[in-house]
Amino acid sequence: LAKTTQPISMDSYEGQEVNITCSHNNIATNDYITWYQQFPSQGPRFIIQGYKTKVTNEVASLFIPADRKSSTLSLPRVSLSDTAVYYCLVGYPTNTDKLIFGTGTRLQVFP
Amino acid sequence: KAGVTQTPRYLIKTRGQQVTLSCSPISGHRSVSWYQQTPGQGLQFLFEYFSETQRNKGNFPGRFSGRQFSNSRSEMNVSTLELGDSALYLCASSASTGSFEKLFFGSGTQLSVL
Repeated sequence: LAKTTQPISMDSYEGQEVNITCSHNNIATNDYITWYQQFPSQGPRFIIQGYKTKVTNEVASLFIPADRKSSTLSLPRVSLSDTAVYYCLVGYPTNTDKLIFGTGTRLQVFP
Repeated sequence: KAGVTQTPRYLIKTRGQQVTLSCSPISGHRSVSWYQQTPGQGLQFLFEYFSETQRNKGNFPGRFSGRQFSNSRSEMNVSTLELGDSALYLCASSASTGSFEKLFFGSGTQLSVL
């Protein structure tokens, strides 16, 4: 099973760009990389998913180098409402038993 | 489109009792998976149901069980509750139709075992 390593916590200020890196050295060929956001007392919310190179949507970008052993979630111009826990998952999306959430990264955004 | 609905939102039980939690997936979603979230262990996969059949199972004791109905609604049951079962139980649904799969989570049921 692909294990992920993320920083436990990060601090930022409103308006800054935040980059959260996830290491997944034993990612398998068929594995995708997916990021979720979770607020207290709520279920995780899908942010972005990718397989290789760069993916961008309306809320974030995901950068994946050629070796796919790591990935970086980029949140442009964060606001206070981005304060949450961010989880990096590696696995084949429909293999739900193999999707390990890990400890996540607690992002605190200050005014 | 309505999201994933979990009931009840909060539950207080005592040791030895049993509990049943309910999850209504997004309309059209056939896969429902359950997770236990605790401060110490994080989010852990319990099991997944697809078209009324258990497709995947996590590493939890047999006290944890589930089922899925023909309308894709799912229930999970925990028998002989222990203090360590206190957790946020999350349900997620997905269309499970292809490679770019998203899990849509409900707000969870917060279970406290006294």
